[in-house]
Amino acid sequence: EAQVTQNPRYLITVTGKKLTVTCSQNMNHEYMSWYRQDPGLGLRQIYYSMNVEVTDKGDVPEGYKVSRKEKRNFPLILESPSPNQTSLYFCASSLSYKSGYTFGSGTRLTVV
Amino acid sequence: RKEVEQDPGPFNVPEGATVAFNCTYSNSASQSFFWYRQDCRKEPKLLMSVYSSGNEDGRFTAQLNRASQYISLLIRDSKLSDSATYLCVVHTGTASKLTFGTGTRLQVTL
Repeated sequence: EAQVTQNPRYLITVTGKKLTVTCSQNMNHEYMSWYRQDPGLGLRQIYYSMNVEVTDKGDVPEGYKVSRKEKRNFPLILESPSPNQTSLYFCASSLSYKSGYTFGSGTRLTVV
Repeated sequence: RKEVEQDPGPFNVPEGATVAFNCTYSNSASQSFFWYRQDCRKEPKLLMSVYSSGNEDGRFTAQLNRASQYISLLIRDSKLSDSATYLCVVHTGTASKLTFGTGTRLQVTL
């Protein structure tokens, strides 16, 4: 089944403790993105990648890092999480910008 | 001004009704347009792409007006299962730059 898989689905952590949210797609898509969704603000792009080793900042990149060492994986790293990073995070992938994105099931992160 | 604006709703309509959502975008260089559907606490799912010529998929019709910079979605014969939030999405500039509206919530009732 073609899909985007994120892990974990739920995570509660403490301020300052480094964490990684994994994202993997099995559709051989070149484009991958990370979004966060907050009430009243909609989905905002954090980082995106157009291919292996090609990444760029989205609208809200502060406090996040990404890497794209393999085509299928695009992990999101929070080096020192803070409470304002409490949010619902989605990873997504696409064959091209014309075809729209397929989203993962989301990761609900709480930083206390 | 937001890049993509939608009426947040909610739109409460009876089953069988026809409902229309509009969305405006600010960047005239925008290239691709989509409607996504999002159920509560779930991931967004692509509903349909939007083309200048207009396109239809069953009960759903999407239109794009580039001159006025707005996109519309028409749902005919609403079903209870259509209850969701509908997101207007615009692609601009770099290949991976998608901008989402905050969504319009639809509630279809008996």
